[in-house]
Amino acid sequence: NAGVMQNPRHLVRRRGQEARLRCSPMKGHSHVYWYRQLPEEGLKFMVYLQKENIIDESGMPKERFSAEFPKEGPSILRIQQVVRGDSAAYFCASSPDRGYATEAFFGQGTRLTVV
Amino acid sequence: AQSVTQLDSHVSVSEGTPVLLRCNYSSSYSPSLFWYVQHPNKGLQLLLKYTSAATLVKGINGFEAEFKKSETSFHLTKPSAHMSDAAEYFCVVPLGSSASKIIFGSGTRLSIRP
Repeated sequence: NAGVMQNPRHLVRRRGQEARLRCSPMKGHSHVYWYRQLPEEGLKFMVYLQKENIIDESGMPKERFSAEFPKEGPSILRIQQVVRGDSAAYFCASSPDRGYATEAFFGQGTRLTVV
Repeated sequence: AQSVTQLDSHVSVSEGTPVLLRCNYSSSYSPSLFWYVQHPNKGLQLLLKYTSAATLVKGINGFEAEFKKSETSFHLTKPSAHMSDAAEYFCVVPLGSSASKIIFGSGTRLSIRP
């Protein structure tokens, strides 16, 4: 059973481009969480999704950021028109059906660099 | 509102000496508390968790933490540091009755001197 898979591991985008971060949860997990870790800071909750539903997006910036977790395929965190301040590590986690984030397993993260 | 405060952003100890990483929490009730570890270029791994059973919790790799309600603390300790312990450590508290999201402390970077 592979762990939570995130790709790409490193992503470089120029200002104004779009960034797409993918997360494949562990087999059997239907709950996905995205967190952002800014340089020298802790992780901040962004969004919590179940299959085809956004449950809690209270940590998502109001503009340019969106997330989805379709019925088939990985969860996608999309950042439009990236800016320098979006440079960070983005972590995805998944948990089993009970949806407890405290039992979540984390991926290795995608490090986004905006140049 | 629940929150966690990690008092030290960086801790450096010599190999073989004790480790103490401090965490204080703020909650209107006895929360669940967790420690996660993040090794360089790796994902986060659950180190140990407190869920209102025993106040002294043992985790992986020889780490343990003690929940002290009177001090609102959940400090992480290890009797003897190993070089492989060098990593970032996060104190964590879940938010909400269903723990649907978790709040991370700002992290403590642990360095081990040979």
